[in-house]
Amino acid sequence: KQEVTQIPAALSVPEGENLVLNCSFTDSAIYNLQWFRQDPGKGLTSLLLIQSSQREQTSGRLNASLDKSSGRSTLYIAASQPGDSATYLCAVLETTDSWGKLQFGAGTQVVVTP
Amino acid sequence: GAVVSQHPSWVICKSGTSVKIECRSLDFQATTMFWYRQFPKQSLMLMATSNEGSKATYEQGVEKDKFLINHASLTLSTLTVTSAHPEDSSFYICCPDLEETQYFGPGTRLLVL
Repeated sequence: KQEVTQIPAALSVPEGENLVLNCSFTDSAIYNLQWFRQDPGKGLTSLLLIQSSQREQTSGRLNASLDKSSGRSTLYIAASQPGDSATYLCAVLETTDSWGKLQFGAGTQVVVTP
Repeated sequence: GAVVSQHPSWVICKSGTSVKIECRSLDFQATTMFWYRQFPKQSLMLMATSNEGSKATYEQGVEKDKFLINHASLTLSTLTVTSAHPEDSSFYICCPDLEETQYFGPGTRLLVL
């Protein structure tokens, strides 16, 4: 059974510092991996999607890497801002039978202080 | 991107009552809808998959008689928590089976007293 783990569970940094969030998964037979952002009491917003054949994806200040063989992904957020404060979730898709059937990690709660 | 709405966003109820949560797709049709729940400090966990016009399928450990799912149309799926108890307090969120990038509803926070 796939298990997705995120470390650390919480992180607090001053504004301007780079953020490094880690995600690991036990079964490397994944189709893709996504990083989501969740604001308190709100739904999820997809940030980056990495296909299993890719090594990384970038969008603005966000960069996500994927090492499928070791079961790891890292989300980098450059020059953090207070607006980046949220919970970041990673999720893996194991099958293309159902796009929305994801295995989630518990998330990393990020606080960026001004 | 696709727009998904949920209603209500917040609900507080007494133990023993039933609560209905609606998930609507506003600008597309969804044959299949996934329902997740998230307990505090825990992962989102898939509860069930609703299919328009047929019975929902439930994940292991989820009571189908307690969490009634109806997918009566291509734009509406409902989750009813029957005889809710405090342990059902959670964040419930829906996601249509649409494409590779998922669009989640805003979620419904349920508190059972």
